[in-house]
Amino acid sequence: AQSVTQLDSQVPVFEEAPVELRCNYSSSVSVYLFWYVQYPNQGLQLLLKYLSGSTLVESINGFEAEFNKSQTSFHLRKPSVHISDTAEYFCAVSYADKLIFGTGTRLQVFP
Amino acid sequence: DAGVIQSPRHEVTEMGQEVTLRCKPISGHDYLFWYRQTMMRGLELLIYFNNNVPIDDSGMPEDRFSAKMPNASFSTLKIQPSEPRDSAVYFCASTLVGHNEQFFGPGTRLTVL
Repeated sequence: AQSVTQLDSQVPVFEEAPVELRCNYSSSVSVYLFWYVQYPNQGLQLLLKYLSGSTLVESINGFEAEFNKSQTSFHLRKPSVHISDTAEYFCAVSYADKLIFGTGTRLQVFP
Repeated sequence: DAGVIQSPRHEVTEMGQEVTLRCKPISGHDYLFWYRQTMMRGLELLIYFNNNVPIDDSGMPEDRFSAKMPNASFSTLKIQPSEPRDSAVYFCASTLVGHNEQFFGPGTRLTVL
């Protein structure tokens, strides 16, 4: 069965520093992978997704994630974070009709 | 499109009362999901529908919870009777068959006193 592990529950970082949020998944079949972001008091929004093709996917606000099949990982990175990136980030893997979500990583960006 | 619509956005009720949460999916979407989010348990899938038919309700915590989807544009999640441990944010999400991306509503914050 599919599962998702987000190793870090919280990641504190200073503004303009790089950040990596880790995500590992387990799956016996081909997968689709997602990162969602949840800003305070809002629903989840899709940040980026990997379905096929290039293993490096990017979002419009500077985040990127790389699908690594051998390491079963889909880590999220940003070279320089902003205060506005403070949010909860969820990694998810598709399973049949559903999405299996990780437990989330709270990114806190300090000035 | 207005996106997924949920109502109410906030609900405060007393233990023992019936609570009904409402969701309008994105027009044309044929899957609808209900989730619950708490600090302790994170994001949990409660139930999901395909073409208005419940497919998997294994995440529904107990018989006090029920969900319906009478038509393609409306779903309800009902808790009767409500208990303080039901306090959480409840999200509805929808998607189209073949598209794994789910679109989430803004959520309903439920507080049971």
